[in-house]
Amino acid sequence: KAGVTQTPRYLIKTRGQQVTLSCSPISGHRSVSWYQQTPGQGLQFLFEYFSETQRNKGNFPGRFSGRQFSNSRSEMNVSTLELGDSALYLCASSLGLSSGLTEAFFGQGTRLTVV
Amino acid sequence: KQEVTQIPAALSVPEGENLVLNCSFTDSAIYNLQWFRQDPGKGLTSLLLIQSSQREQTSGRLNASLDKSSGRSTLYIAASQPGDSATYLCAVEDSNYQLIWGAGTKLIIKP
Repeated sequence: KAGVTQTPRYLIKTRGQQVTLSCSPISGHRSVSWYQQTPGQGLQFLFEYFSETQRNKGNFPGRFSGRQFSNSRSEMNVSTLELGDSALYLCASSLGLSSGLTEAFFGQGTRLTVV
Repeated sequence: KQEVTQIPAALSVPEGENLVLNCSFTDSAIYNLQWFRQDPGKGLTSLLLIQSSQREQTSGRLNASLDKSSGRSTLYIAASQPGDSATYLCAVEDSNYQLIWGAGTKLIIKP
């Protein structure tokens, strides 16, 4: 059973550019969540998509956006990149149900460096 | 507002020792609690998930307990090994299906 796949693994962009990150969840999982992880702030929740709808949103500016496709794959986009956007971006997939069994599985992350 | 706290922030112990990591949360209305480990620069690996109706879960040398009424969970690691060195994070799933995270405990096992 394939795990959560994030592409690309590493990315270097310049300030002002935009970037798109991709996440393919485990087959059958309908929920995809995105997190930003930095040494100073730890893990910060960006947003969660369930069945192509944004179900939860963290406290990030509108430059951060995402979407989910019918096959549950998700993309997140960051526009007008700033130096402070340099971070490890993690994607997690889960069944997304309220049964208490919704174990989250993470990808290896995309390391974004903004110069 | 749910808050998750992990104590200690860092821990260094000799190989072979048994150890306990702590996680506390402020709101007992959770679906589950999950423990993860993260190696430097890598993603998170799920270790154990405890449903809100459960008291503990075990996997190999790991045992996690949950006391919802007191808002506490512990992760017990038996016979620690250098390969256990990592950052351990706990997260609770709240009623909005959102994971609320602790800041983690950085564990170093000295050979």
